[in-house]
Amino acid sequence: DTAVSQTPKYLVTQMGNDKSIKCEQNLGHDTMYWYKQDSKKFLKIMFSYNNKELIINETVPNRFSPKSPDKAHLNLHINSLELGDSAVYFCASSQDLVREIYGYTFGSGTRLTVV
Amino acid sequence: QKEVEQNSGPLSVPEGAIASLNCTYSDRVSQSFFWYRQYSGKSPELIMSIYSNGDKEDGRFTAQLNKASQYVSLLIRDSQPSDSATYLCAVRYSGGYQKVTFGTGTKLQVIP
Repeated sequence: DTAVSQTPKYLVTQMGNDKSIKCEQNLGHDTMYWYKQDSKKFLKIMFSYNNKELIINETVPNRFSPKSPDKAHLNLHINSLELGDSAVYFCASSQDLVREIYGYTFGSGTRLTVV
Repeated sequence: QKEVEQNSGPLSVPEGAIASLNCTYSDRVSQSFFWYRQYSGKSPELIMSIYSNGDKEDGRFTAQLNKASQYVSLLIRDSQPSDSATYLCAVRYSGGYQKVTFGTGTKLQVIP
């Protein structure tokens, strides 16, 4: 059983399009995250949800909109895609928000290429 | 800006040697420290976490934390070619919702 699953794994699209990435976790974790990893491998947090509530919203263009229909799912919708959005997007979940002693479980990533 | 610094490498060690990976962080008020391993084209995988000063051992891995000097390190004993990967240091800072900040990673190459 995959603990944190993301779809799609690869996404190639043209500038200006709108696309969505989906994430689901079956670990029973309360907190989920979206991270962006650029070409230099730097992982930067974008959003975090705890029990469907948005708790971290970094300086991200408002073309990016997360949605959490329930605590097991966190989706990312991107409007008007730009070349600079090309990156690998990772979903992650964690067991304990307050103490964060367990670290994150990451999904397999979605490689987004905007052409 | 709270930062996590790592030498990008690559760090090359011969098979069987000890690999030493280092990480420094900027904020004294930090709570939790993590090491993740990321193989090329794969997602990060948690290998060690440490919260108290001193050493923590798990198999061939030892994490070392020195809060006074603001550094955390990872030692890999008896390095194997399968350990070749990028190692990401992550720090959870206190305050607010305590988000985790990642370093840019150190690429480790274990030479057979």
